[in-house]
Amino acid sequence: RKEVEQDPGPFNVPEGATVAFNCTYSNSASQSFFWYRQDCRKEPKLLMSVYSSGNEDGRFTAQLNRASQYISLLIRDSKLSDSATYLCVVNEGGKLIFGQGTELSVKP
Amino acid sequence: SAVISQKPSRDICQRGTSLTIQCQVDSQVTMMFWYRQQPGQSLTLIATANQGSEATYESGFVIDKFPISRPNLTFSTLTVSNMSPEDSSIYLCSVEDSTHETQYFGPGTRLLVL
Repeated sequence: RKEVEQDPGPFNVPEGATVAFNCTYSNSASQSFFWYRQDCRKEPKLLMSVYSSGNEDGRFTAQLNRASQYISLLIRDSKLSDSATYLCVVNEGGKLIFGQGTELSVKP
Repeated sequence: SAVISQKPSRDICQRGTSLTIQCQVDSQVTMMFWYRQQPGQSLTLIATANQGSEATYESGFVIDKFPISRPNLTFSTLTVSNMSPEDSSIYLCSVEDSTHETQYFGPGTRLLVL
């Protein structure tokens, strides 16, 4: 079983749609959690941290369920510029463990 | 956030040769990390480089294949030795953010081995 698992997609959605990405992790001792965004042929960039209480940044909402070892990212009113690969990332003892990424394509 | 640069940005190399990738940070950092991202895959940690000590390698990666230098707190190099086509990948360096919980990445080095 992979340490961090994501649905690879691709998710093809129209502009304005709401899209949700899911991620599960295997190590219950994991300390912190993140969503990164990676554009084609670019390096990953931190999108947001994920907290148990949930956190929101504009159109983006991230949620963590420690009991289920489950992380989610919700994007509302999606824009063409949201097209990218979204990486679920878990910090295990100081090391970042990356999921394989979920590809999102937003169409006009 | 730290500004990270890598050289070269890309290269095409012949099998059996070696390539050294440089990573420069605009501020002093304790730990630097080297990752590999193979085509269509996510990132895999190769090793952690601390200044003044030997790099710590992850399972599946060895010093003879991926020697690392860390001469000071702003610079590191990764060498990909005796390359084969399977080494074709993107190699990225990263540094921790101020919380030490997450990392910022350099722009990567795209390597193609023929």
